[in-house]
Amino acid sequence: GAVVSQHPSRVICKSGTSVKIECRSLDFQATTMFWYRQFPKQSLMLMATSNEGSKATYEQGVEKDKFLINHASLTLSTLTVTSAHPEDSSFYICSAFPTTSYEQYFGPGTRLTVT
Amino acid sequence: AQKITQTQPGMFVQEKEAVTLDCTYDTSDQSYGLFWYKQPSSGEMIFLIYQGSYDEQNATEGRYSLNFQKARKSANLVISASQLGDSAMYICAMRAGEAGTSYGKLTFGQGTILTVHP
Repeated sequence: GAVVSQHPSRVICKSGTSVKIECRSLDFQATTMFWYRQFPKQSLMLMATSNEGSKATYEQGVEKDKFLINHASLTLSTLTVTSAHPEDSSFYICSAFPTTSYEQYFGPGTRLTVT
Repeated sequence: AQKITQTQPGMFVQEKEAVTLDCTYDTSDQSYGLFWYKQPSSGEMIFLIYQGSYDEQNATEGRYSLNFQKARKSANLVISASQLGDSAMYICAMRAGEAGTSYGKLTFGQGTILTVHP
């Protein structure tokens, strides 16, 4: 199946700094990618839809100035957590799907810890 | 708006036995897709099975089968012959709209943590 990578897999940063997470579709082009957040023992929560060449669409309650999304190419979307705080600590997962497929492919996730 | 409900926060099953994980959904769309994912403690999302709203046959993939009851809006996952490695969170999801469109957004259920006992 198609492969989606995420980098880094794990990051620890200090409060007040910014962290960038990359999501790449390795063997297909994705005009749309999705970013999710997941707390322990809970399901995925959609944060935003990343659209290549245009602005991301954020879900209600997600601060777009805090979680900056850039979809610079058909294979890369980035999520930047700006001025991170301990409450931003979470598991972040991206996903994408080829336009001809019903199946959505997920990245392996990034575990962010803000100290 | 779409909604997915999984009412079982946790389930226990004995190794080699079958288990059913419940999932009900709500949507006003005529065309939609239903998915089940397995998420072990590593966090990766593993695709298990898919059912399209127009599919007349219940989907099956190895030990996984989806009991699709459209009138009742349910899409329960059946795992046969449970194995210790099946212990994980299982998440039901729905995508409204036709495949291949920008309606790729998935709506997820709350998840069910399955524990398989030896």
